[in-house]
Amino acid sequence: GQQLNQSPQSMFIQEGEDVSMNCTSSSIFNTWLWYKQDPGEGPVLLIALYKAGELTSNGRLTAQFGITRKDSFLNISASIPSDVGIYFCAGPWGGADGLTFGKGTHLIIQP
Amino acid sequence: KAGVTQTPRYLIKTRGQQVTLSCSPISGHRSVSWYQQTPGQGLQFLFEYFSETQRNKGNFPGRFSGRQFSNSRSEMNVSTLELGDSALYLCASSIGGSSYEQYFGPGTRLTVT
Repeated sequence: GQQLNQSPQSMFIQEGEDVSMNCTSSSIFNTWLWYKQDPGEGPVLLIALYKAGELTSNGRLTAQFGITRKDSFLNISASIPSDVGIYFCAGPWGGADGLTFGKGTHLIIQP
Repeated sequence: KAGVTQTPRYLIKTRGQQVTLSCSPISGHRSVSWYQQTPGQGLQFLFEYFSETQRNKGNFPGRFSGRQFSNSRSEMNVSTLELGDSALYLCASSIGGSSYEQYFGPGTRLTVT
């Protein structure tokens, strides 16, 4: 099946730093979704993107839909301890309503 | 609005048994999808139901099945459990139609011994 490649796999940053992560695919996606998952919980939808080139913010989070439609980016500004978790990109592939997920970027914040 | 709820939260079963997991979607959401999450394979799509009909199915064996009721609540069943079925099973609901925005429940942690 289609794979979404997320990088980096993990990030160790200092509180207050900005964070950037991305998600790439070999196929075109018409929708990109970004989720965050905390330990023992289900993923929480952060941002949804529907148009190539679209830039959408949610508080300190900003995500972009790549113009090639094969990638997406998530930035977190001025990270705080509660930003710790695993960030997933996802999208519907092949017209199905099931989402394909990347393997996630594990964000760890050092005090 | 209340979020997606799943019961039970934790379950321990023995190999060969069967299990049924339950999901109540967000009020007004008609689509329910199920996912399996494991450390090795990540999040994988199982199936999706809309208006009591299975619309899409992932690449899982027939031991995995589901259904949706008229109130949009959904259940998934796994028969003849195998050790490899140990996972976090997540349910997600969406309005349906052209919306791909899915909202997840907390999951059911299934351990097969």
